Amino acid sequence: DTEVTQTPKHLVMGMTNKKSLKCEQHMGHRAMYWYKQKAKKPPELMFVYSYEKLSINESVPSRFSPECPNSSLLNLHLHALQPEDSALYLCASSQDPAGPGGNEQFFGPGTRLTVL
Amino acid sequence: AQTVTQSQPEMSVQEAETVTLSCTYDTSESNYYLFWYKQPPSRQMILVIRQEAYKQQNATENRFSVNFQKAAKSFSLKISDSQLGDTAMYFCAFMAHAGGTSYGKLTFGQGTILTVHP
Repeated sequence: DTEVTQTPKHLVMGMTNKKSLKCEQHMGHRAMYWYKQKAKKPPELMFVYSYEKLSINESVPSRFSPECPNSSLLNLHLHALQPEDSALYLCASSQDPAGPGGNEQFFGPGTRLTVL
Repeated sequence: AQTVTQSQPEMSVQEAETVTLSCTYDTSESNYYLFWYKQPPSRQMILVIRQEAYKQQNATENRFSVNFQKAAKSFSLKISDSQLGDTAMYFCAFMAHAGGTSYGKLTFGQGTILTVHP
C-alpha cells in the first residue's frame, strides 16, 4: 500500500464551526506533514511530525491544531477559521526522518476547504 | 534559507516533442536533494525525479531526465516524447541533507504549468 488517504475530500464550514481533517498512511512512514496550498501556488508547509512528535510548526495560527494519535494517523483540527483559510490542505508522509535523507514525500489527494 | 526559482509560469508543447522546464536555487548547504514534483489538474502530487547533490550523474526516469549543474545551481527537467498525460503543474523542490539546517522541509518553486497539445 503506497497511498496516503485524506478525508473528507471537500469541506465547507462556517467561521464558528469546529471540524477536523484526517490523514492516514500504512507505509510504515515515521514522518507526516501538513501543507496548505492555494490555487496555482506551491504547497506551504504547516507542520511536521517525526515519530509522532511535533518537530516543525511554521508559525501557524492557533486556529489550526495538529494531532498525531499514532504513527499512521494525522489529524488537523480546525476552529474559528477565516475565509482566507480556504485552500487545499495536503497531507504527506515520508520514511524515517533520521535516515539518509532525501526521502520522497508521498502526498495525499488533499481536502478542499471552503470557509464561509 | 533556501530559495527555489522557476522562471517559466507557463509552457506548452506538442505531443511527442521535447520540453525543458527551468529551475534555479540558492543555498548555503553543502549537501542536499533536489526534486521535481508533478501535480495534474485535480489530482495528487507525485514525485517525478530526484537528484542527490553529491552525485555528478544526472538522474533519469524513463522519459524524464534532469540537467543538474551544481556550480550554477541549476536543475532543469527535460521531458521527452511528451504525452497528453504530462499536462500538469510541475514544481521544483529542495531539501537539505540530514544534518542540514532545514532537513525535512521541502522548499518549492512557484511552479510551471505545462500543457501538452495533441
